[in-house]
Amino acid sequence: EAQVTQNPRYLITVTGKKLTVTCSQNMNHEYMSWYRQDPGLGLRQIYYSMNVEVTDKGDVPEGYKVSRKEKRNFPLILESPSPNQTSLYFCASSFGGEQFFGPGTRLTVL
Amino acid sequence: KQEVTQIPAALSVPEGENLVLNCSFTDSAIYNLQWFRQDPGKGLTSLLLIQSSQREQTSGRLNASLDKSSGRSTLYIAASQPGDSATYLCAVRPRSGGSNYKLTFGKGTLLTVNP
Repeated sequence: EAQVTQNPRYLITVTGKKLTVTCSQNMNHEYMSWYRQDPGLGLRQIYYSMNVEVTDKGDVPEGYKVSRKEKRNFPLILESPSPNQTSLYFCASSFGGEQFFGPGTRLTVL
Repeated sequence: KQEVTQIPAALSVPEGENLVLNCSFTDSAIYNLQWFRQDPGKGLTSLLLIQSSQREQTSGRLNASLDKSSGRSTLYIAASQPGDSATYLCAVRPRSGGSNYKLTFGKGTLLTVNP
């Protein structure tokens, strides 16, 4: 089944404790992206990647890092999480047309 | 800067009704427009993709139209069912995005279909 998977689905952590949210797709898509969804603000892009080793900032990249060492994986790294990064995070992938989203990761930073 | 607006923000209808959800965007230079469904606490499920050269797309009871010149899209749901209850999101991808396929999303329409 073609899909985008994310782990973990739910995470509660404390300020400053480094964490990684994984994203993997099995559709051989070159393009992958991360969004965060917040009430009243909608979905905003954090980072995107056009291919292996090619990444760039989206609209709200502060406090986040990404890497793209393999085509199928695009992890989101929060090196020192803060409470304002409490949000619902989505990973997406695309071949250039339709975009497919993962199930989301709900992150709470205390 | 592209802005996407969805009206109404919430809609409640009885089962069996046909309904229309509206989406408007400020910059008509789009590559495509995509409609998604989001269930509470769940991810985004792609419903329909309309390329900029297309006028409409259909999937089952869903029909999406696109009028690029006026910056509008509608999602028509026929014979609504309680299982259609969800938030519906409209998103546009700009033509000018280059290598970034970033979608600009509306805030969504929360649909409730009552049995």
